[in-house]
Amino acid sequence: DAGVTQSPTHLIKTRGQQVTLRCSPKSGHDTVSWYQQALGQGPQFIFQYYEEEERQRGNFPDRFSGHQFPNYSSELNVNALLLGDSALYLCASSSGTQYEQYFGPGTRLTVT
Amino acid sequence: EDQVTQSPEALRLQEGESSSLNCSYTVSGLRGLFWYRQDPGKGPEFLFTLYSAGEEKEKERLKATLTKKESFLHITAPKPEDSATYLCAVEGGSYIPTFGRGTSLIVHP
Repeated sequence: DAGVTQSPTHLIKTRGQQVTLRCSPKSGHDTVSWYQQALGQGPQFIFQYYEEEERQRGNFPDRFSGHQFPNYSSELNVNALLLGDSALYLCASSSGTQYEQYFGPGTRLTVT
Repeated sequence: EDQVTQSPEALRLQEGESSSLNCSYTVSGLRGLFWYRQDPGKGPEFLFTLYSAGEEKEKERLKATLTKKESFLHITAPKPEDSATYLCAVEGGSYIPTFGRGTSLIVHP
């Protein structure tokens, strides 16, 4: 049984560019959450998708947007990249009725 | 605003030396408190969910407890493979998980 998968593993972008990160949830899970984790910090909640709609959103600007597909996979899009967007981006999945979240390995984004 | 403070920031133990990690929290309407383990360069690994004060959960050498203001993760007779960063998170009435900065644990053989 595959766990949460994310792609790509690493990414280097230039300020002002746009980036798309992808996530496939654990089998049987229908809810996907995205987090940003800066070095030495805990993960910060960006948003959560359920039934293809954004259900909750953390304190992140509109440059951060997402999408969930009918197969429950999800994308995180970040526009107009800033140096401060450099971080590990984590995807977590869960079943709608359970609190436990299972995290993927993350995508390391570097903005130069 | 929900807040989570973890202490200590870093902890070094000798193999077999038991200790506890602390997670202090403020939250409006606790729905759950979560403990995760994170290895360098990897995503967090789920350990426990605690729902109400007085609850305890165990897994191998780890035991998590919960009061109305804090949670403890007790590590009994740790081994070098227990070395990792341990993260605490809460979810309250906002339905938005809030994580602490974690405790970095190193267990020396």
